Amino acid sequence: AQKITQTQPGMFVQEKEAVTLDCTYDTSDQSYGLFWYKQPSSGEMIFLIYQGSYDEQNATEGRYSLNFQKARKSANLVISASQLGDSAMYFCAMREGGSYIPTFGRGTSLIVHP
Amino acid sequence: NAGVTQTPKFQVLKTGQSMTLQCAQDMNHEYMSWYRQDPGMGLRLIHYSVGAGITDQGEVPNGYNVSRSTTEDFPLRLLSAAPSQTSVYFCASSYSLEGGGTEAFFGQGTRLTVV
Repeated sequence: AQKITQTQPGMFVQEKEAVTLDCTYDTSDQSYGLFWYKQPSSGEMIFLIYQGSYDEQNATEGRYSLNFQKARKSANLVISASQLGDSAMYFCAMREGGSYIPTFGRGTSLIVHP
Repeated sequence: NAGVTQTPKFQVLKTGQSMTLQCAQDMNHEYMSWYRQDPGMGLRLIHYSVGAGITDQGEVPNGYNVSRSTTEDFPLRLLSAAPSQTSVYFCASSYSLEGGGTEAFFGQGTRLTVV
């Protein structure tokens, strides 16, 4: 079974609108961490945001926020006020327990239209 | 600050050839890992290391070897290249924090083609 599931292979959004990228995870550990990465067409992996399983507040970093719903095991990424430069692949990842090696989902391709 | 450095950036191999992808980090991170990225498959873990002298297999280890003799270096060896190993390879490092871990820091990737 996949540890990280991203059900949206592709998403489209209009510039300046908000978009939510879905991520669900599967773990029996109480301590874990969730990450989102962006991969533009140039290929590098860019870290966006982190949420720890014990964090009570949803993580935010500028226009990025992580909608963490622990009971539903979901960690959706919300991008507010989309920009053309947000067009990229987005990967959700998780590290479990004492492991510091993350497992990745299959990614969501986001295209921002002008 | 160089971060994680991978070499080469591009490589073409013939079937059956062997080669080593180099990865070095200058951040004194304990944890290092190798992933391969294939279209529609995300990043899959090949091998990882939790410190010098300690390595373990990930999800897709077959056809690859690793070693970690120093904290800085974590080379990935392809023993006998096959077309199925055509992929983009990423090396990453991370470290532990009290109460949790950090994000993984990635190299720029190596695009490998096996013909």
